[in-house]
Amino acid sequence: EAGVAQSPRYKIIEKRQSVAFWCNPISGHATLYWYQQILGQGPKLLIQFQNNGVVDDSQLPKDRFSAERLKGVDSTLKIQPAKLEDSAVYLCASSLVVTGYTEAFFGQGTRLTVV
Amino acid sequence: DAKTTQPNSMESNEEEPVHLPCNHSTISGTDYIHWYRQLPSQGPEYVIHGLTSNVNNRMASLAIAEDRKSSTLILHRATLRDAAVYYCVRTGGTSYGKLTFGQGTILTVHP
Repeated sequence: EAGVAQSPRYKIIEKRQSVAFWCNPISGHATLYWYQQILGQGPKLLIQFQNNGVVDDSQLPKDRFSAERLKGVDSTLKIQPAKLEDSAVYLCASSLVVTGYTEAFFGQGTRLTVV
Repeated sequence: DAKTTQPNSMESNEEEPVHLPCNHSTISGTDYIHWYRQLPSQGPEYVIHGLTSNVNNRMASLAIAEDRKSSTLILHRATLRDAAVYYCVRTGGTSYGKLTFGQGTILTVHP
């Protein structure tokens, strides 16, 4: 079974530029998550989709971050404009169903460096 | 608040058992306890989960206290490949499967 695919693996941009990350979840997984992980910290949930609807985006900085999940499958996360503090690993995860028991599968992440 | 509390770091020797504690004193009756681990340069990986009873799988065992305010992840024989950050995560209730990660425990395994 193929895992969660993310691209690119690494990205370096200058502050105030824009950047986009792509995620392809495991086939059939209804729930998709985007997490931000700053060095030395645990992952922080940015947004959670159930199919193509948003379940939770309470910690998404909506003035600069946006995310969409077209047709309930692939998803993109965009930052525009980027700030230095956005340097982090961006992790995508997916899970089959949304219940109290939720085994999430994570991709390898995209490491973003903003200079 | 889905807060859990874990020690910042622990150490073990190879082939010895490791007990990783987690406190979740405000847990509700419908919250599950999940454990994930994160190897260097990898995304988190599911280890085990439970609700009330102790659980075993091929990777580890999960012991949940009777009052459910704490739990312990047990690695029966640590290997060098078990060196990782281990996260104890609560999920359930109305959180729609939301996984809220804390700082985790950095496990170092010595040969």
